[in-house]
Amino acid sequence: GIQVEQSPPDLILQEGANSTLRCNFSDSVNNLQWFHQNPWGQLINLFYIPSGTKQNGRLSATTVATERYSLLYISSSQTTDSGVYFCAVDGFKTDKLIFGTGTRLQVFP
Amino acid sequence: NAGVTQTPKFQVLKTGQSMTLQCAQDMNHNSMYWYRQDPGMGLRLIYYSASEGTTDKGEVPNGYNVSRLNKREFSLRLESAAPSQTSVYFCASTGQAGNTIYFGEGSWLTVV
Repeated sequence: GIQVEQSPPDLILQEGANSTLRCNFSDSVNNLQWFHQNPWGQLINLFYIPSGTKQNGRLSATTVATERYSLLYISSSQTTDSGVYFCAVDGFKTDKLIFGTGTRLQVFP
Repeated sequence: NAGVTQTPKFQVLKTGQSMTLQCAQDMNHNSMYWYRQDPGMGLRLIYYSASEGTTDKGEVPNGYNVSRLNKREFSLRLESAAPSQTSVYFCASTGQAGNTIYFGEGSWLTVV
């Protein structure tokens, strides 16, 4: 099945810093989504982005489908950005959404 | 706007007991999913249902059964719980392949 790898596994930032999270996947995808899991365990969808670039406030994402990776950018990070960021993909041969192992972000004041 | 609702939120089982996790969505979604998340880990797909009456195995189906009762409801059953099934279980749904997926709040299950 499709493999999803995220990097870095852990990221520690001071408030105000920028960061880039990466998601690599092993096959062509029909669907790619980024999620934020807050410290209380809630999963919030950030972007549906199988290709191209999207922006939502301080967050933006870019997927280069031909090179099989996606990037999530967080600018001017805030303590409320802390949590785990997951990307999830499903391939053209399946509708099963498979998650990466996540990037744990801690933002300190 | 309930979205995806899971019950129970917390459960403690003894080894060998059975239980069913319930999930319902009110968004008229076709696809529903069950995932488990172990401490410090990502989500792993247990079972998936593309539409009413169909189910398919995910990455870690052993020890579980599912039932897509109707379009709204997708239940997950543990027939004989084991300590290795201690985890947080998430139900999710999406309207069509490629659409945004919505998650329930999770069910914390401990098997002792």
